[in-house]
Amino acid sequence: AQSVTQLDSQVPVFEEAPVELRCNYSSSVSVYLFWYVQYPNQGLQLLLKYLSGSTLVKGINGFEAEFNKSQTSFHLRKPSVHISDTAEYFCAVSASNDYKLSFGAGTTVTVRA
Amino acid sequence: GAVVSQHPSRVICKSGTSVKIECRSLDFQATTMFWYRQFPKQSLMLMATSNEGSKATYEQGVEKDKFLINHASLTLSTLTVTSAHPEDSSFYICSALGQGNQPQHFGDGTRLSIL
Repeated sequence: AQSVTQLDSQVPVFEEAPVELRCNYSSSVSVYLFWYVQYPNQGLQLLLKYLSGSTLVKGINGFEAEFNKSQTSFHLRKPSVHISDTAEYFCAVSASNDYKLSFGAGTTVTVRA
Repeated sequence: GAVVSQHPSRVICKSGTSVKIECRSLDFQATTMFWYRQFPKQSLMLMATSNEGSKATYEQGVEKDKFLINHASLTLSTLTVTSAHPEDSSFYICSALGQGNQPQHFGDGTRLSIL
């Protein structure tokens, strides 16, 4: 089975500052990794995914993440955040031969002016 | 592309009522759909996996007679919460997988409140 640990439950950040959300995973098999964003009372929107290939993945809204197999990490970064980036962010993992997702507990990002 | 529509977005009803939630893939065929439950300020908990034309697979601890899932077509799965009680109040989210290809695409969720 796979599991995900999001190391920060809350991340306050000022507008135009960079942000990094940390995600570590555990798995005995090869994995696919995802970051999703959830705005209040809404479903999840995919930010980016790692399935294979380049370990640096670029997503929507200026986000990127780097897959580090040796450190079993998939940290999410954005060089300059906007007020509109205030949301809940979930890291998720699935085994590459399965479709089920295991989610981390989530990180609340609050962007202040 | 890859739009998933979930309906209704909010339901408020009396205890003992059965509530049906629909999940539709609008622009792709979804061989597999998933139903999740999310408690306030918590992560998503997978309830069941729904495959078109076959019985749903429920996660451990989820009552299949309580949460009825039907996946009658490649674009529609329904979750029926039978005889709902206040403890069933939650945010329910569906997702769909197109022809077995990642990633899952999520609906906007249904806020269920049982009085």
